[in-house]
Amino acid sequence: DTGVSQNPRHKITKRGQNVTFRCDPISEHNRLYWYRQTLGQGPEFLTYFQNEAQLEKSRLLSDRFSAERPKGSFSTLEIQRTEQGDSAMYLCASSLSSGGAKTQYFGPGTRLLVL
Amino acid sequence: GIQVEQSPPDLILQEGANSTLRCNFSDSVNNLQWFHQNPWGQLINLFYIPSGTKQNGRLSATTVATERYSLLYISSSQTTDSGVYFCAVGAAGNKLTFGGGTRVLVKP
Repeated sequence: DTGVSQNPRHKITKRGQNVTFRCDPISEHNRLYWYRQTLGQGPEFLTYFQNEAQLEKSRLLSDRFSAERPKGSFSTLEIQRTEQGDSAMYLCASSLSSGGAKTQYFGPGTRLLVL
Repeated sequence: GIQVEQSPPDLILQEGANSTLRCNFSDSVNNLQWFHQNPWGQLINLFYIPSGTKQNGRLSATTVATERYSLLYISSSQTTDSGVYFCAVGAAGNKLTFGGGTRVLVKP
């Protein structure tokens, strides 16, 4: 169990550019979640996948945001035409969907700064 | 949606002291997790505890689901316990809703 990994760990971009983040979940986990955390706040849910199907999206996920999990393994989160308000920590988590405890395990996050 | 409130918002402790953090939630839940967020932003799982009591070393947690609250106890605090503690709950869906956190500073 190598844990949830995320890349890159840090990203600085200029307003209007597109960015893409990657998340690799714990290998046997079929659920994958994306959250966003701004300074001084708790994380907020963005979207989640079960296998390759995207099952829920938050209203926070504007049309500039898109997430994919094409083969039910890793996931990507793309932000198009970034805005300064997109600056945040983007967190990925994974879990099992069946069995006992459905504990969500979090990755180290990608810290985005939009200039 | 479900509301999660944590108290106190800030806590300053002397090393060796004990403390209790509280999490209140507004609806029935089927998932409740406590996390410690370290200064680098990593969320570390402490407990998965939708009901009952668990202990892990100097930390323990109790959730009273019928009364919609959970408590996290830190005993004999150490400087490495500093950071932000989050309570997060899951209800009918699978997403976690986080509280605002308790910021803990343990002074040597």
